[in-house]
Amino acid sequence: DADVTQTPRNRITKTGKRIMLECSQTKGHDRMYWYRQDPGLGLRLIYYSFDVKDINKGEISDGYSVSRQAQAKFSLSLESAIPNQTALYFCATSDTGTSLNEQFFGPGTRLTVL
Amino acid sequence: DAKTTQPTSMDCAEGRAANLPCNHSTISGNEYVYWYRQIHSQGPQYIIHGLKNNETNEMASLIITEDRKSSTLILPHATLRDTAVYYCIVRLTSGTYKYIFGTGTRLKVLA
Repeated sequence: DADVTQTPRNRITKTGKRIMLECSQTKGHDRMYWYRQDPGLGLRLIYYSFDVKDINKGEISDGYSVSRQAQAKFSLSLESAIPNQTALYFCATSDTGTSLNEQFFGPGTRLTVL
Repeated sequence: DAKTTQPTSMDCAEGRAANLPCNHSTISGNEYVYWYRQIHSQGPQYIIHGLKNNETNEMASLIITEDRKSSTLILPHATLRDTAVYYCIVRLTSGTYKYIFGTGTRLKVLA
């Protein structure tokens, strides 16, 4: 079983709809991240969380919100989706206990907003 | 925030060494250089990281210049499965452990 899972893997929605992307991990890591990737570009950080009570904005948090329901779960919400939020979304985790900070990425969610 | 500059694309013959350069001229003394790769549209995968010294693991070698303003990732014997986008990242040291991804180098390994 994959250590970092994302649901759904693909989603098509309409402008103005509320969308939630979910991320779960079995690695026991404290830190979780949400990134988006646009075609031909690198990943940009949306939000990150270092534990259940810690939520921080990344580079491009406008139009998004997150919820850290448990150590293993980190959800990303688009309150009112717009077409320029069409992108590939990745969740990642990392371990607090080492200085390595290797991030482990999920398989991604491809979101299309019409 | 330190930024990185990489060539947009490179080709490499299968079985040969692939040398991927990265410039990070504004890197701070306590910032690490990380390399990740992304195959197709999968999630990025960690390859290697370093601070000052050259590093080697089962996947690759990392050569960092003495002034730390640039580095090179070396895949010693590239295979077709190494075709991917390679990202050079400088890890911020503000306590947040955030990554800033650039656009990466698209490496194509040719048969």
